[in-house]
Amino acid sequence: DIQMTQSPSSLSASVGDRVTITCRASQGIRNDLGWYQQKPGKAPKRLIYAASSLQSGVPSRFSGSGSGTEFTLTISSLQPEDFATYYCLQHNGYPPTFGQGTRLEIK
Amino acid sequence: EVQLVESGGGLVMPGGSLRLSCAASGFNFNNAWMSWVRQAPGKGLEWIGRIKNKLDGGTTDYAVPVKGRFTISRDDSKNTLYLQMNSLKTEDTAVYYCTTALGGKQPGDGYWGQGTLVTVSS
Repeated sequence: DIQMTQSPSSLSASVGDRVTITCRASQGIRNDLGWYQQKPGKAPKRLIYAASSLQSGVPSRFSGSGSGTEFTLTISSLQPEDFATYYCLQHNGYPPTFGQGTRLEIK
Repeated sequence: EVQLVESGGGLVMPGGSLRLSCAASGFNFNNAWMSWVRQAPGKGLEWIGRIKNKLDGGTTDYAVPVKGRFTISRDDSKNTLYLQMNSLKTEDTAVYYCTTALGGKQPGDGYWGQGTLVTVSS
């Protein structure tokens, strides 16, 4: 299975900060990666697909980049509603595998 | 608007069975590849299986921990996805989500239902 390693596992930041989360794949996955946001007690919501494409309805402060083995999710200016857990998902190899998650907390 | 509504979760004893349903609306279910993903309490996300649309063969794939015990099926006439779970183990306790194509790039792809909780305990 392809292993997805997210960093950091947790992060404290303030409203207005720029935040970057990284996901590394154990082997090349082209751009077959998505980013998801999950709030407590809620279902995950896809933010980014194909590594850098914004899901419809998602604010433009979210962006994704990368290809191959290293990927980043950037939030350009944190808003109060962005405090959540973020996951990456690769779907290049089977089975699809998720990163372990990054918990974004208010500083 | 894409809507996925899971049902059928509950408390079941180890070794028991349960069938989950996922009612879909707001997109062309017949053409969709669908997946199930679960999340154990306080843990991360785990893909457990997928079914292709009939045009692409309607075939299924499963994660190793559930292969041979879980079966995914679909009824396109009812816009409904199913997950039949047999020989349940305590480690199957989780919230189960149905999703549209996880890696898809079409407008209806990447959506998740609200989840249904399955608790396996004696």
